[in-house]
Amino acid sequence: GAVVSQHPSRVICKSGTSVKIECRSLDFQATTMFWYRQFPKQSLMLMATSNEGSKATYEQGVEKDKFLINHASLTLSTLTVTSAHPEDSSFYICSARDGTSGRSEQFFGPGTRLTVL
Amino acid sequence: GQQVMQIPQYQHVQEGEDFTTYCNSSTTLSNIQWYKQRPGGHPVFLIQLVKSGEVKKQKRLTFQFGEAKKNSSLHITATQTTDVGTYFCAGGSGGYNKLIFGAGTRLAVHP
Repeated sequence: GAVVSQHPSRVICKSGTSVKIECRSLDFQATTMFWYRQFPKQSLMLMATSNEGSKATYEQGVEKDKFLINHASLTLSTLTVTSAHPEDSSFYICSARDGTSGRSEQFFGPGTRLTVL
Repeated sequence: GQQVMQIPQYQHVQEGEDFTTYCNSSTTLSNIQWYKQRPGGHPVFLIQLVKSGEVKKQKRLTFQFGEAKKNSSLHITATQTTDVGTYFCAGGSGGYNKLIFGAGTRLAVHP
């Protein structure tokens, strides 16, 4: 149980385009989802916390107009990188917390490798 | 803001040797979690510690949470090549159970 999928796994786009990444909890209800960014051989940097049915909470320094987050249902959250630029190239990874379990561990998706040309 | 520091950044050991990674938070934590990320993979939850001074064991892995709930450690006894990966501590505090991750310790095990 507790599987999180992420799509696409890899995307290459031109500078100026927008990219949408989907994060799904497959076998549990994710009241809270988290979006992270990870640079090679570095730690996970929390970008935002997404709660179903409400606005996402962004970490300091993360532009909410650039990284649009929507948590439309208990099993789906999306991250849209708008007007992507080469410096946005990174590994984006989501995680989800099972709101019904009472536990706080996070289950991570496999990540999305974004390359902006 | 809250910071979680983790050392060492990288360690390589001979198979059979022990390994320890240490984690320190700038603030008191409600809980600390440990995750393992294999090369090319995603973080996988290992354990959560909640109580002051708590010690938990998983086979060859021993996890400790400090008395002040600001530091933690993960010790692996007699490492095996399957232990290879990056071990992250993550401190929990505040609302929505968000986690602040340490920088991770990358473990290499030589047979």
